[in-house]
Amino acid sequence: DVKVTQSSRYLVKRTGEKVFLECVQDMDHENMFWYRQDPGLGLRLIYFSYDVKMKEKGDIPEGYSVSREKKERFSLILESASTNQTSMYLCASSGPGMNSPLHFGNGTRLTVT
Amino acid sequence: QKEVEQNSGPLSVPEGAIASLNCTYSDRGSQSFFWYRQYSGKSPELIMFIYSNGDKEDGRFTAQLNKASQYVSLLIRDSQPSDSATYLCAPQNAGNMLTFGGGTRLMVKP
Repeated sequence: DVKVTQSSRYLVKRTGEKVFLECVQDMDHENMFWYRQDPGLGLRLIYFSYDVKMKEKGDIPEGYSVSREKKERFSLILESASTNQTSMYLCASSGPGMNSPLHFGNGTRLTVT
Repeated sequence: QKEVEQNSGPLSVPEGAIASLNCTYSDRGSQSFFWYRQYSGKSPELIMFIYSNGDKEDGRFTAQLNKASQYVSLLIRDSQPSDSATYLCAPQNAGNMLTFGGGTRLMVKP
């Protein structure tokens, strides 16, 4: 079974702090993704990565950056957290090609005060 | 027009009934279609996917795809209270990227 592990289930940070959300997968998947999920807005893609050291912007990259130094690890960075970044953050991974589903981590509920 | 449209619900069905969840999509290049279930406060989990026109059955779940009409649906037979969740439709485009609908909240009443 694919396991995608997000380092924190709940996180509370102050405005202006630098925040790191970590994600690790154990299935040697090439593709990794970061989404945020908000009521009424659904799942929105922030960034994704097809390989080590590669990153691509998703639909809402502003205010975020990512790092993928190792294949199994994909980090989301909020350079200066703001209250509008309070959300549920979901990491996912997938294998290559068609019909490869996304496997999600348990999510990190981030609150920025 | 949103890329992936789902009725947000809630869709309320009695226990034992068939629940029918519908999804329309705008990208004609979409090739595969995934259905995820998400319980409140949890992350989405894969139920099944379909890529050929017609029906695909997996236990109590049946996915139906009509690419000409750009329509995909999920039927849940013998609905149980434990099926109460939000169901997300996610077409996969030619670049293998998934786009998620807003989800339909299903409530199965005992």
